Amino acid sequence: NAGVTQTPKFQVLKTGQSMTLQCAQDMNHEYMSWYRQDPGMGLRLIHYSVGAGITDQGEVPNGYNVSRSTTEDFPLRLLSAAPSQTSVYFCASRRTVAETQYFGPGTRLLVL
Amino acid sequence: KQEVTQIPAALSVPEGENLVLNCSFTDSAIYNLQWFRQDPGKGLTSLLLIQSSQREQTSGRLNASLDKSSGRSTLYIAASQPGDSATYLCAVMGSGGSNYKLTFGKGTLLTVNP
Repeated sequence: NAGVTQTPKFQVLKTGQSMTLQCAQDMNHEYMSWYRQDPGMGLRLIHYSVGAGITDQGEVPNGYNVSRSTTEDFPLRLLSAAPSQTSVYFCASRRTVAETQYFGPGTRLLVL
Repeated sequence: KQEVTQIPAALSVPEGENLVLNCSFTDSAIYNLQWFRQDPGKGLTSLLLIQSSQREQTSGRLNASLDKSSGRSTLYIAASQPGDSATYLCAVMGSGGSNYKLTFGKGTLLTVNP
């Protein structure tokens, strides 16, 4: 298994540009989540999904959209990037609520 | 709202020492608690998962305990090695309506000196 994969590893955007962060898992996990990690703030939940076609907001959802058309993929869309969205983004998945959560390697995003 | 606190924020110890990392949470209505390790520039690696009905879990030199009623968990690392140097994160999963969400502490940065 490749586990949880994320692309790209690093991205530089200009303010106002849009982009999609990709996340995929090959473990047939129902639950997938997106987090951002900022110095002094820890990891914060952006959006999550409990299965294909079902998504919900986390703690910091503003400026981000998600969709879940397949079990494997959970892309995160930035509609109009802002410098405040400079962060490291992690995707995670788990099979059930009671089981271990697995994280991807992260995407470092810099918005100028 | 659940809040998770990790003490200390940073810890430096000589190789071979036994050490304890602390995690506290404000809402005892949790589903489970997970300890992670994060190396610089990397993702999170799960170390131990404790269900709310359990008191402890062990994996090799690591032992995690959970006291749900007091809102505390500890991660015990025996015979520390330089390779244990990393940031250790504690995360709790709420029960009931919030049971899909993990709330993280800010982590303890551990340095083990040779």
